[in-house]
Amino acid sequence: EVQLVESGGGLVQPGGSLRLSCAASGFTFRHYWMHWVRQAPAKGLEWVSRLNGEGSSTSYADSVKGRFTISRDNAKNTLYLQMNSLRGEDTAVYYCALVGLATGVSAFDIWGQGTMVTVSS
Amino acid sequence: QSALTQPASVSGSPGQPITISCAGISSDVGSFNLVSWYQQYPGKAPKLMIYEGSKRPSGVSNRFSGSKSGNTASLIISGLQAEDEADYYCCSYVGRGVFGGGTKLTVL
Repeated sequence: EVQLVESGGGLVQPGGSLRLSCAASGFTFRHYWMHWVRQAPAKGLEWVSRLNGEGSSTSYADSVKGRFTISRDNAKNTLYLQMNSLRGEDTAVYYCALVGLATGVSAFDIWGQGTMVTVSS
Repeated sequence: QSALTQPASVSGSPGQPITISCAGISSDVGSFNLVSWYQQYPGKAPKLMIYEGSKRPSGVSNRFSGSKSGNTASLIISGLQAEDEADYYCCSYVGRGVFGGGTKLTVL
């Protein structure tokens, strides 16, 4: 069974840091681009970042550029999101998502269950 | 890229068809085969319902379909059922995702 399981969320003060993890199973992790998408409370979905299978090509939303870093460990089948200089507006459920498993290369096939990040003093 | 524009809410009675629109600019929705649609229940992760504008993943009901007119994509749900009540998001994927603001579907 294809599965993505996020962890690492929690309560952090403004200006603080947090690292999210996304453990993948059921597919050949290193072959696929992986993404982070977030959803603030009672708000819509916002794309955050993406990383290619090799870990050599990244892209970020303007709202997180320079503060967040996406990475992966293909030996551990795990995707990461290092979040620094956190702000209140970063409060959201963070989902990892997979593109291209069974539906071409233009849709998020599989989503994790999400991990909640709360930035507050 | 700007977010795609969806109506905040739509409603319909069981058995009726409904349409949710997703308006964008030519560089995103205009590339119809890059448009996807997601269903999300409260407190749950999104689920892919339509990809490449009009294709359904395995396991998704054939009551769900996608279409396009100009720079507006649409999700059509035929034969509305109570279980269809959820939030729906369109997305244009060009290496990164650009999402619509979401539409809350209410089944009357």
